[in-house]
Amino acid sequence: EVQLLESGGGLVQPGGSLRLSCAASGFRFSNYAMNWVRQAPGKGLEWVSSISGSGGRTHYADSVKGRFTISRDNSESTLYLQMNGLRADDTAIYHCAKDIYSSLGGNWFDPWGQGTLVTVSS
Amino acid sequence: EIVMTQSPATLSVSPGERATLSCRASQSVSSDLAWYQQKPGQAPRLLIYGASTRATGVPARFTGSGSGTEFTLTISSLQSEDFAVYYCQQYNKWPPYTFGQGTKLEIK
Repeated sequence: EVQLLESGGGLVQPGGSLRLSCAASGFRFSNYAMNWVRQAPGKGLEWVSSISGSGGRTHYADSVKGRFTISRDNSESTLYLQMNGLRADDTAIYHCAKDIYSSLGGNWFDPWGQGTLVTVSS
Repeated sequence: EIVMTQSPATLSVSPGERATLSCRASQSVSSDLAWYQQKPGQAPRLLIYGASTRATGVPARFTGSGSGTEFTLTISSLQSEDFAVYYCQQYNKWPPYTFGQGTKLEIK
């Protein structure tokens, strides 16, 4: 069974940093691109970032470009999101989601993790 | 960026009845559209991809249709477990992947 388990969320002050992790199991991690999607409290889904299976290609939403960095450790089957310069509007549940292919682009997501809550507040 | 608009925002339907949810794209996305179901406190679950292909394990009462800019998710004979929020996502032109704002399906 494919499982995705996020961790690393918490309360952080504006301007602070946080590193999220997503531990994957049940599939060959390096064979699939991975994604981060966030959901502000009571709101809809917003794509944040994607990374190819090899880790060689990445893409970011304009809202996080230059502040967030996606990475992966295929030997540990773990996806990361380094978040710097956090702002109040980054407050959200952050879900990791498995892509259906190794390469980026034109894909849907299945499955998703339950997410980890990031709260940016002073 | 392609904007996805879902309607209605909230849909009240009685169990056993049919529900029809709509999703419109600001420009053509061909058939590159997925539908997800999300229940409170849970992760989104893939229902439909390619506009009309049911994901593994999704009951046949869920039907996706449409292409281009207009899409529909139909749930025939609603069951209690179907009351949730539904999102559409386009993956034709990216980045960014974009989602609709969601339709909340509630019990009438």
